[in-house]
Amino acid sequence: DGGITQSPKYLFRKEGQNVTLSCEQNLNHDAMYWYRQDPGQGLRLIYYSQIVNDFQKGDIAEGYSVSREKKESFPLTVTSAQKNPTAFYLCASTERGYSPLHFGNGTRLTVT
Amino acid sequence: DQQVKQNSPSLSVQEGRISILNCDYTNSMFDYFLWYKKYPAEGPTFLISISSIKDKNEDGRFTVFLNKSAKHLSLHIVPSQPGDSAVYFCAARSGGATNKLIFGTGTLLAVQP
Repeated sequence: DGGITQSPKYLFRKEGQNVTLSCEQNLNHDAMYWYRQDPGQGLRLIYYSQIVNDFQKGDIAEGYSVSREKKESFPLTVTSAQKNPTAFYLCASTERGYSPLHFGNGTRLTVT
Repeated sequence: DQQVKQNSPSLSVQEGRISILNCDYTNSMFDYFLWYKKYPAEGPTFLISISSIKDKNEDGRFTVFLNKSAKHLSLHIVPSQPGDSAVYFCAARSGGATNKLIFGTGTLLAVQP
């Protein structure tokens, strides 16, 4: 079945540690996105990539980094510079043009 | 500054009745609007969309209405079913080729049996 896989579903880290969230898609989609969901704030765009080896900052990119070395993979690193990293992280992908985003099932990151 | 607003955090309706979820936006350059449904601990799933050149789009029990002059869109679910209970997000695309979506804060719909 085609889809987007995010792993792990739950992740716990100590403050000051970098952590990488995995996102893999087998939909052959060109574009991939990372969103963050916080209670009462909807989904906010962190980074997006429209093509391999290229990516752009979204609205809240500070403290995050990404790479896009393969079409099917778009990992997100939450660095120690991110002030409030505890959140629900959602990866999405889409074909180019006017098409809805397809989302993975998310990773809940808790930093203590 | 919230460009896409869902002013009702929650809505409760009886099974079989109509559910109306509302969304307001501020940016007249948005060219495409979408509704997503989300269950807890899962990713949102696409429900229905509408282009800014239309004022209505229907898909089964779901209809989206767009009022550009009022910068308002709404999602109607008729008849509502208990399985419709979820958080509903409206989203707007800012135009261009990037397909970036700006999401509202969501409305929790509870359909009572």
